[in-house]
Amino acid sequence: GQQVMQIPQYQHVQEGEDFTTYCNSSTTLSNIQWYKQRPGGHPVFLIQLVKSGEVKKQKRLTFQFGEAKKNSSLHITATQTTDVGTYFCAGSGTYKYIFGTGTRLKVLA
Amino acid sequence: EAGVAQSPRYKIIEKRQSVAFWCNPISGHATLYWYQQILGQGPKLLIQFQNNGVVDDSQLPKDRFSAERLKGVDSTLKIQPAKLEDSAVYLCASSPRTATNTGELFFGEGSRLTVL
Repeated sequence: GQQVMQIPQYQHVQEGEDFTTYCNSSTTLSNIQWYKQRPGGHPVFLIQLVKSGEVKKQKRLTFQFGEAKKNSSLHITATQTTDVGTYFCAGSGTYKYIFGTGTRLKVLA
Repeated sequence: EAGVAQSPRYKIIEKRQSVAFWCNPISGHATLYWYQQILGQGPKLLIQFQNNGVVDDSQLPKDRFSAERLKGVDSTLKIQPAKLEDSAVYLCASSPRTATNTGELFFGEGSRLTVL
C-alpha cells in the first residue's frame, strides 16, 4: 500500500535559523497537503499542492511539490518560537489522504 | 462557524472493555474521517465516509472496531473489546467536498483513549 515518509524525524534549531522537512511517497500523488500540529493539539491545514513542480509561499513558509509528484518539501525561513510543532504531509493518490510520519520541530530561543 | 465536535475528550478503560466516540462534523460537510494517532506517529486513517456511505475502511480492524454515520451527519466509532495497543488519540475530521476531491480536512480536538 501507499506509504509516506518524512525526514528528519526531529529537528532542533536556534531561533532565526532555517528549517526544512522532506516528504516522500512510495506512489505518485494526485495532490499533497501539509498540516501543523502543536503539542497537545490537532492537525491544522496549511496548504495544498496539486501541480507538478508547484511552489507556494505563505510568509516565511515555502512549499514545493516535486516534478514527479512523489515528493514535497516545506521550508521555513528564520524560524520563530511560534513555529514549534510537528509538521505532517498528507498525500492523496486517489481519494484518501495518507499522513506522513511527521517532523517534530523545536525552536530554541 | 462551529468546528468539528468530538466527545469524550478523554477516556480511560481497562482492556476488554468497550468504548464509543462521537463526532459531529461541520454542518454541510459531506466527507467524514476517523483517524487513529498513536503518540509520536502520524494520523492513520481508519474509515472514510461520504454522506452515510463508507468510502474506505481498509485499515479498520473490523474484528473489534466499528463505525457508523447515521443520516450522513454525526458519526460514532466503537471499540469492543479494547486492547492495550488501542491507546491513542482518535481524531475525527470532515471536508466539504466529495471523497474524490476533498480539499482541506478540518480536525476536531480528538478523543484520547488510555487502555489499562
